[in-house]
Amino acid sequence: GESVGLHLPTLSVQEGDNSIINCAYSNSASDYFIWYKQESGKGPQFIIDIRSNMDKRQGQRVTVLLNKTVKHLSLQIAATQPGDSAVYFCAERHGDYKLSFGAGTTVTVRA
Amino acid sequence: SAVISQKPSRDICQRGTSLTIQCQVDSQVTMMFWYRQQPGQSLTLIATANQGSEATYESGFVIDKFPISRPNLTFSTLTVSNMSPEDSSIYLCSVEVGDSFATNEKLFFGSGTQLSVL
Repeated sequence: GESVGLHLPTLSVQEGDNSIINCAYSNSASDYFIWYKQESGKGPQFIIDIRSNMDKRQGQRVTVLLNKTVKHLSLQIAATQPGDSAVYFCAERHGDYKLSFGAGTTVTVRA
Repeated sequence: SAVISQKPSRDICQRGTSLTIQCQVDSQVTMMFWYRQQPGQSLTLIATANQGSEATYESGFVIDKFPISRPNLTFSTLTVSNMSPEDSSIYLCSVEVGDSFATNEKLFFGSGTQLSVL
């Protein structure tokens, strides 16, 4: 079946540096993508989304890039802070309302 | 956005018993979902809670094991029945909230219920 996955399960980044979290998806029909952040003991928190008719979308300190040619999604976090330490999930949707979640990347920010 | 209250936040249960998890939303929403997140894993959709009708279950999940209620547009329950240690997971309620043009629906999550089955 179709699946959404992440290239790396863990990412260690120095505080103040930029972080890049990658995600590969396999369903070319997916039309909507979301990044979630999950801190320990909490539910996933919406970060940013992007539709398939866009290549880039920016939020506060975050940017999502979508490359439909290679079915790749990335989340860039500028000036990473200790509060950014969490597990990050990408999710895709195609057709209906159901989201498929990737495996997750654990981001650890070093002081 | 939506404020989602889920309880209990955690519980430790004995094998063979059942636990009902409640989800309350601060506004009326059309779509409510229940997810499971096994330890160290991603999220898996259990079912869609339909208001006024039976829930729609995903492959691998059945009503006898995970009965769901949705009496109105702000509340739903998920019961984990006849529990075994394999049911130890985080169970998450989520709702879909769209803008006035219904073109930018977002999925918001409750804080989850951490279930441990002994």
